[in-house]
Amino acid sequence: QSALTQPASVSGSPGQSITISCTGTSSDVGSYNLVSWYQQHPGKAPRLLIYEDNKGPSGVSIRFSGSKSGNTASLTISGLQAEDEADYYCCSYAGSGSLVFGGGTKLTVL
Amino acid sequence: EVQLVESGGGLVQPGGSLRLSCAASGFTFSTHWMHWVRQAPGKGLVWVSRIDTDGSTTTYADSVKGRFTISRDNARNTLYLQMSSLRAEDTAVYYCARYPYHLTAFDIWGQGTMVTVSS
Repeated sequence: QSALTQPASVSGSPGQSITISCTGTSSDVGSYNLVSWYQQHPGKAPRLLIYEDNKGPSGVSIRFSGSKSGNTASLTISGLQAEDEADYYCCSYAGSGSLVFGGGTKLTVL
Repeated sequence: EVQLVESGGGLVQPGGSLRLSCAASGFTFSTHWMHWVRQAPGKGLVWVSRIDTDGSTTTYADSVKGRFTISRDNARNTLYLQMSSLRAEDTAVYYCARYPYHLTAFDIWGQGTMVTVSS
């Protein structure tokens, strides 16, 4: 149950697009279409952004999109806004009922 | 309003025990898989455990297996996490989260309850 690998930090200017990667293995990310992404502001609970690799739940801005290729999933945020500054986590089903999160990525909006 | 409210956190000595509760409201609790996720201070999210709708199937992270027990009382709309043989590395905010089958993701989270293991 090793954590998925995410970059520790990314940054971008308002209006730009950024992409956060999430690398797992053929036992988790690569085996199931069950990667989800979460946004967490300091002191707050996480919030669901993307489920099943690339689906957006109702109420989440279309500026957030997900994709996957092989063992690597990605979250793209377009039209970056100041309020997007937060920590972002990926999560994947890892088989046998278990789940695994990524280490988290801190997004800074310059 | 759909809501999850955790309670039961606090300061406990190494080797001690604690039971966390998560009260659900605003939705049909008995039809949802539920999970516990923790976050150590300044660190990332870590999945801890899950339980199916009637409590017959449970799964644990290796780090807590044999020490933690997840359970639920559907009549009381409450999820539990019994923690024993606590270690310093169990210090974290513990979140309960709903995991709808049709989303296969955590769509509702509680506000978290802090557990500190220290002498």
